[in-house]
Amino acid sequence: AQKITQTQPGMFVQEKEAVTLDCTYDTSDPSYGLFWYKQPSSGEMIFLIYQGSYDQQNATEGRYSLNFQKARKSANLVISASQLGDSAMYFCAMREDTFLSGYSTLTFGKGTMLLVSP
Amino acid sequence: DTGVSQDPRHKITKRGQNVTFRCDPISEHNRLYWYRQTLGQGPEFLTYFQNEAQLEKSRLLSDRFSAERPKGSFSTLEIQRTEQGDSAMYLCASSLEWREIGELFFGEGSRLTVL
Repeated sequence: AQKITQTQPGMFVQEKEAVTLDCTYDTSDPSYGLFWYKQPSSGEMIFLIYQGSYDQQNATEGRYSLNFQKARKSANLVISASQLGDSAMYFCAMREDTFLSGYSTLTFGKGTMLLVSP
Repeated sequence: DTGVSQDPRHKITKRGQNVTFRCDPISEHNRLYWYRQTLGQGPEFLTYFQNEAQLEKSRLLSDRFSAERPKGSFSTLEIQRTEQGDSAMYLCASSLEWREIGELFFGEGSRLTVL
């Protein structure tokens, strides 16, 4: 079953505007973490922002903020004041804290391609 | 540069050949992960090491895939008897402590093309 769903294959935004990238997730674990990564054409996955399941406030990192709605199981990424360099693939990922197995890893969605135009 | 490095960045091979990818994690990171990313998909978890111990390998795609981390530092991912379906980007990531936020630091990947 898909654990991370990103329904927007592509998004277009003009420079300096804000954009929201959608992410919904599915888990029955009470403890989990949600991440957003950026993947430019070079291939490297760049960590952007993190939200823990017990965090009371939405995470913010510079121009990035995470709109966390726990009851709806959504963790949308908001990029304010888009820049040309923001053009890239964006992946939502979830860490599930599987104590029994003794390790955790990230499960990724299919990604959203963001194109920022001048 | 103290990031995760992967080698080679690109590999073109013929079907049936063996290929090996190397990953050098961030030096103080004891946890190392391999992921595979096919076109239009997000990264897919393959295997995990804590120091030199391979704690999860059931997600390796077939018995043609194997990984090692002999001294708990660099790691290799080998694919034997490559098939065209193995064409993908192979990403390595490392982390220090999963009890914190658990962010993974990724390398730039090794892109495999099987002809």
